[in-house]
Amino acid sequence: AQKVTQAQTEISVVEKEDVTLDCVYETRDTTYYLFWYKQPPSGELVFLIRRNSFDEQNEISGRYSWNFQKSTSSFNFTITASQVVDSAVYFCALREQTSGSRLTFGEGTQLTVNP
Amino acid sequence: EAGVAQSPRYKIIEKRQSVAFWCNPISGHATLYWYQQILGQGPKLLIQFQNNGVVDDSQLPKDRFSAERLKGVDSTLKIQPAKLEDSAVYLCASSSLRDYYNEQFFGPGTRLTVL
Repeated sequence: AQKVTQAQTEISVVEKEDVTLDCVYETRDTTYYLFWYKQPPSGELVFLIRRNSFDEQNEISGRYSWNFQKSTSSFNFTITASQVVDSAVYFCALREQTSGSRLTFGEGTQLTVNP
Repeated sequence: EAGVAQSPRYKIIEKRQSVAFWCNPISGHATLYWYQQILGQGPKLLIQFQNNGVVDDSQLPKDRFSAERLKGVDSTLKIQPAKLEDSAVYLCASSSLRDYYNEQFFGPGTRLTVL
């Protein structure tokens, strides 16, 4: 069965520090998709990135970067030079090819960036 | 383009009462999802519709939860009767069949408190 684990419940950093959010997943499918979402205090889930299982190339988007390693079943998310506006709950999610559109979310990591 | 709309944003009821939530997806999105997000946890899929048909309701507690999407556009999720453990945020999301990745767009959610 599919499972997503975000071991870090809460992280607190000072502005401009770099921070990495960990995500470990379990699946038996060979084709699957991994996602990161941001949930600010307003509550709406904001899509950040999607990766498919055949694309292990790391990605950078501005201050955000993602490291996908199939060998360790991990899809970690790094924020460089964090800002107060980055404070939110971040969710990693998995969608298996055999599960249709269903997203399985991790428990989330509450990131607080202090000025 | 308007996003996913949900109402009400907040609802407080007593246990054993009934409650209904409404969702209007992004125009043209055939697939609609209802998620339950308990405080401190990731969202969990309750039910998925494609047009007005149910695709996945395997995690819906059918003894008290029901949902409908009669005309294949907006949807209503009902809880009858509510229990204390139903306190959560109920998120609605939609996706387009024309999108190969079925990217889900989320609404702001309805926060339910059961006293």
